Amino acid sequence: DVKVTQSSRYLVKRTGEKVFLECVQDMDHENMFWYRQDPGLGLRLIYFSYDVKMKEKGDIPEGYSVSREKKERFSLILESASTNQTSMYLCASSKPTQGSQPQHFGDGTRLSIL
Amino acid sequence: SQQGEEDPQALSIQEGENATMNCSYKTSINNLQWYRQNSGRGLVHLILIRSNEREKHSGRLRVTLDTSKKSSSLLITASRAADTASYFCATDAKGSGNTGKLIFGQGTTLQVKP
Repeated sequence: DVKVTQSSRYLVKRTGEKVFLECVQDMDHENMFWYRQDPGLGLRLIYFSYDVKMKEKGDIPEGYSVSREKKERFSLILESASTNQTSMYLCASSKPTQGSQPQHFGDGTRLSIL
Repeated sequence: SQQGEEDPQALSIQEGENATMNCSYKTSINNLQWYRQNSGRGLVHLILIRSNEREKHSGRLRVTLDTSKKSSSLLITASRAADTASYFCATDAKGSGNTGKLIFGQGTTLQVKP
């Protein structure tokens, strides 16, 4: 089974801090994704990556950046955390076919910015 | 805006009853997927239906797809308390290439009472 591991289940940080959320997958998937999930808004795509060192903006990239130095690892960076970035963050990975593969999710990181 | 919109937003039924959730989308798709999310956890892939398929079964799950109406439904038969979760539809879009990018609906929260 595919395993997607997010480094922290719960994280509390302060406004202005630089925050790193880490995600590792063990199935050699080319595609990786970062979402945030908020009540009433569903899942919104922040960034995705289809290969090492490749990244593309999703629907809500402002205030975030990403890093993909190795195929198995995709990091989400909050450059200067703000309270409106308090949310559940979900990482996912998938194979690179014509949209016909399921995404495999980690268990999420619930991030609170104080 | 979100590609998929789900209806109802919340559903409460008794154990043993059937649960039906609906999803509508806006653009042409290659496939539509359904996911399940238990409280505080990541999403788990349930079933994928391709645009040239009309119906698909997996255990107690039955998914239909009507591309002329741009809609899909998920039926869970003989529901159990353990089916209590949020259910999301997700669509790719024709022309999205190999990125595997999906657009998620806002989800239906299902409660199955014992």
